[in-house]
Amino acid sequence: KAGVTQTPRYLIKTRGQQVTLSCSPISGHRSVSWYQQTPGQGLQFLFEYFSETQRNKGNFPGRFSGRQFSNSRSEMNVSTLELGDSALYLCASSLARRAEAFFGQGTRLTVV
Amino acid sequence: GQQVMQIPQYQHVQEGEDFTTYCNSSTTLSNIQWYKQRPGGHPVFLIQLVKSGEVKKQKRLTFQFGEAKKNSSLHITATQTTDVGTYFCAGLGSGYALNFGKGTSLLVTP
Repeated sequence: KAGVTQTPRYLIKTRGQQVTLSCSPISGHRSVSWYQQTPGQGLQFLFEYFSETQRNKGNFPGRFSGRQFSNSRSEMNVSTLELGDSALYLCASSLARRAEAFFGQGTRLTVV
Repeated sequence: GQQVMQIPQYQHVQEGEDFTTYCNSSTTLSNIQWYKQRPGGHPVFLIQLVKSGEVKKQKRLTFQFGEAKKNSSLHITATQTTDVGTYFCAGLGSGYALNFGKGTSLLVTP
């Protein structure tokens, strides 16, 4: 059974640009969550999607958005990138909400 | 909002010594999950605790959930170099968003 796949693995962007990250959950998993991980702040919850609807959103500015498709694949978008957006972005999928989360390898975003 | 605090932030032990990390929530949790992240890796699920006072064991790892469902601990007996990594607790309150502690980084020297 394939795990959670995130693409791309690494990205370098310039301030002011926008970026789209992709996440393919484990087959059959309908819940997808996104987290930002930085050395100082740890793992911070961005949003959760279930059945193509955003169910929860963390305390992040509106520049951070996402969506989920009918096949449960998810994308997150960050617009007008800032230096502070440099982080590891992790996607996790679950068979059901509140169940154990399976994380992808993450996308390492560097904003210069 | 719900806050999950985890201590210590770092722990350095000699191989064979025990290790404990503690997790405290500002609010009552419906359940708590523990994850391990190896250096350069991604978080991997270890266990989920749901019941008040629950204790679960996985080989040398013992997990506890407090009676008030506001705190939890992970204890590793006789650490090994393979235990190196960062251990995170993640609490679920009334909602569905996992709220992670900042983790305890464990270093084990042989």
